[in-house]
Amino acid sequence: GDSVTQTEGPVTVSESESLIINCTYSATSIAYPNLFWYVRYPGEGLQLLLKVITAGQKGSSRGFEATYNKETTSFHLQKASVQESDSAVYYCALGARLSGSFNKLTFGAGTRLAVCP
Amino acid sequence: DMKVTQMPRYLIKRMGENVLLECGQDMSHETMYWYRQDPGLGLQLIYISYDVDSNSEGDIPKGYRVSRKKREHFSLILDSAKTNQTSVYFCASRSGDSDYTFGSGTRLLVI
Repeated sequence: GDSVTQTEGPVTVSESESLIINCTYSATSIAYPNLFWYVRYPGEGLQLLLKVITAGQKGSSRGFEATYNKETTSFHLQKASVQESDSAVYYCALGARLSGSFNKLTFGAGTRLAVCP
Repeated sequence: DMKVTQMPRYLIKRMGENVLLECGQDMSHETMYWYRQDPGLGLQLIYISYDVDSNSEGDIPKGYRVSRKKREHFSLILDSAKTNQTSVYFCASRSGDSDYTFGSGTRLLVI
């Protein structure tokens, strides 16, 4: 089946430092899945951070970016300068159609990020 | 305000008791999902509901059942809860190919 592997947390960085959270995927149900990064802040539900549906393209949001690399089956999340408010759990996910128009998300285990002031 | 609401937020049950987790959405999304997340694992799909009374098993349906009698409500039922069902449960909804909207989760402890 499909699977997603991401950097094991917790990851601790200082404010204004750069960040990379690695994500690699294996998609057996579909050749080119959609790829997502979700974020969960304390006490809240998962929120979509960014998504890329076309291989080779880059997605960006709130200073984060990720590039869909089909050669290396990777979708690493990067940010040049993190802020304390970025402290959260980040999930990489791939989306594939089950049948017809119905979709399923396969998630990585999540990476807890702590940004120190 | 478009959102998915899960109740309760925290729940403690004894082994063998029945558990009802509720999920509601105010967006009239036809598709709803139940996931669980355990430490070190990604969210795992328990059930999908395509619309009222149209449900399908996900990857880990054993020990669970669902009910969807109204489009805006999707319930997860554990008949005779087990300690290995201790987890955080997330509900989500979407319409067509729209982005998913997730609830804040229910943290269930079975003792």
